[in-house]
Amino acid sequence: AQSVTQLDSHVSVSEGTPVLLRCNYSSSYSPSLFWYVQHPNKGLQLLLKYTSAATLVKGINGFEAEFKKSETSFHLTKPSAHMSDAAEYFCVVSRSGNTGKLIFGQGTTLQVKP
Amino acid sequence: DTAVSQTPKYLVTQMGNDKSIKCEQNLGHDTMYWYKQDSKKFLKIMFSYNNKELIINETVPNRFSPKSPDKAHLNLHINSLELGDSAVYFCASSQERTGWYGYTFGSGTRLTVV
Repeated sequence: AQSVTQLDSHVSVSEGTPVLLRCNYSSSYSPSLFWYVQHPNKGLQLLLKYTSAATLVKGINGFEAEFKKSETSFHLTKPSAHMSDAAEYFCVVSRSGNTGKLIFGQGTTLQVKP
Repeated sequence: DTAVSQTPKYLVTQMGNDKSIKCEQNLGHDTMYWYKQDSKKFLKIMFSYNNKELIINETVPNRFSPKSPDKAHLNLHINSLELGDSAVYFCASSQERTGWYGYTFGSGTRLTVV
């Protein structure tokens, strides 16, 4: 069965410093992994996705994530945080098989301080 | 604009009422979903339709009934609303049933039952 664990419920960084949001997954098969962002009172926006191609995935707004099979991790990083990055971030695994069921992590709230 | 659109954006209603939330996508996607986000921001799938066929039906009270008149529309009808139904409901679509390419989410419907 697939599952995903976001290791931090809340991360606080200063503007201009690096961002690291941690995610571990569990999957019986080669997973598809995603990061979604949700700004306050908004819908979910896809940041990036891993679907068994390159292990380092680049997304929008300067975010990237690295798939590490040996560590079952898919951490999200950004070299320099911007105030507009403050939001809720979800690590997501797609259940294998022929249905597109997404399994969401618990979410990480990113706070960016000036 | 190409998008997944939900109506209404906000819905406040009394316990015991029946209400519907509508969703439309003009992306040409084959598969549509309903997700529920609770007060702790946890997201869980409720239903999925592929070309008007129900393919995912999670453990959801039978007061919730999805309807897909065509592959571009997926509506959610809720009977006898309860306080615990208060949540944000997200509609989403994917290109095909595996969700391999990721989802596009609507902006959500915030349902408040009083």
